Order: sequence, then C-alpha cells, then structure tokens
Amino acid sequence: SAVISQKPSRDICQRGTSLTIQCQVDSQVTMMFWYRQQPGQSLTLIATANQGSEATYESGFVIDKFPISRPNLTFSTLTVSNMSPEDSSIYLCSVVPGKNTEAFFGQGTRLTVV
Amino acid sequence: AQTVTQSQPEMSVQEAETVTLSCTYDTSESDYYLFWYKQPPSRQMILVIRQEAYKQQNATENRFSVNFQKAAKSFSLKISDSQLGDAAMYFCAYRSEETSGSRLTFGEGTQLTVNP
Repeated sequence: SAVISQKPSRDICQRGTSLTIQCQVDSQVTMMFWYRQQPGQSLTLIATANQGSEATYESGFVIDKFPISRPNLTFSTLTVSNMSPEDSSIYLCSVVPGKNTEAFFGQGTRLTVV
Repeated sequence: AQTVTQSQPEMSVQEAETVTLSCTYDTSESDYYLFWYKQPPSRQMILVIRQEAYKQQNATENRFSVNFQKAAKSFSLKISDSQLGDAAMYFCAYRSEETSGSRLTFGEGTQLTVNP
C-alpha cells in the first residue's frame, strides 16, 4: 500500500497567478500520476512523472501550463501556471506501488480561480 | 484507445436495499484490471473492489460484488444492504500494463444517493 500526503487541500487564487501542489509518498515509487477533475466530471490524466526524466503529458496538456517536478522517488509537484477560472478543478496525485496493486490517491487539492 | 462508459449519471437506493451500477469498457488487450472507486464529498478516492481480467470468478468484498462479463466487456457493481455511508460518486476504472503502464482510464461516474 501507499499513503500520500497532498498539499494544499484547497486554495483560492487570483487569475494570472500560479499554484504549486505537492505530493509526498511514504514509500518509493517509480511513477506518479497527476489527474484533473473538473467540476462534476471524471478524472483526466494530466501527466506521468518519472524520477530523473521529464514528465510525459497527455494530449491537451502542456509543460508550460502544468510544469511537474520529480526530484526523488517519494515526492512530486505540479504547478498550475497563469491560472484562469477554467483551471478551477480538483487536482489529484496517484501512485501504483506494484504491478498487481491498485492505485492510491492523495486527498486532492480543490482549486478555485477568481 | 481504451474507453470506459458508465451510462447512469445518477442512481438512488433505499437504505438496506440492493443497487447495481453499470460499467462497460472497450479494449483490445487481454491482460488488464478493472476497479470501482468511491469518491465521497471529501474528494478522497477509495478503492471499493478490483477484478483481474484473467480471473473468471467475480470479486466480492463484503457487501460489494461485481458481475464481470469479459466477452461482453461489462463490469457492474452490486451493493447489497445499502448504507447511508455508501452515498458517493462511484467511478469505474480500467488499467492495463501492456500499453498504458499504470495509468487509469475512468468512466464518467455515477452519483449514488442512499435514501433513509
């Protein structure tokens, strides 16, 4: 299993600013995943973060808007840059500790851009 | 690409009764996993149940069970003896190691209301 501490749990931000979300895992994991959940919708994968290499972004998401850091095997950050109200969502990080295990999630960050 | 479809945006059930949530998926892969996750208002994603595609036996976890029909690509969740604490958004999810690593593909979700 894995326990993930995600911070902040919520924030209200001004448009044009940036917010960095942090996820700390209690064990070493190869990949970390960042998802976005827009209001009333499902989870969409933003990117996969591997330690020691650049993150892999899904279609529709770009590094300039969502830069990701992965300095070690237990930590990652996602930055939401130059925010607009359309970025108001829940952002979740996730890990899969092993091939035959389920995914574990952080508590989520509820972001509101005003 | 794999897709997951939940055709019931909302469902309701009376406390102590049984409800079934539907999920279908599309894939050309043979080795994969299916999951049901629960998301209460706290936003925390909680695993309800998992099914390995190679297992013919349907998974069960206490009051939760699945009806896995591999040929039909169907994966429904049955909640028996529903409790007020079961009220949440339920997501069906797919994962395959073959082509997509450990990423999950989610359905649209079903909002379950439990009436006292």
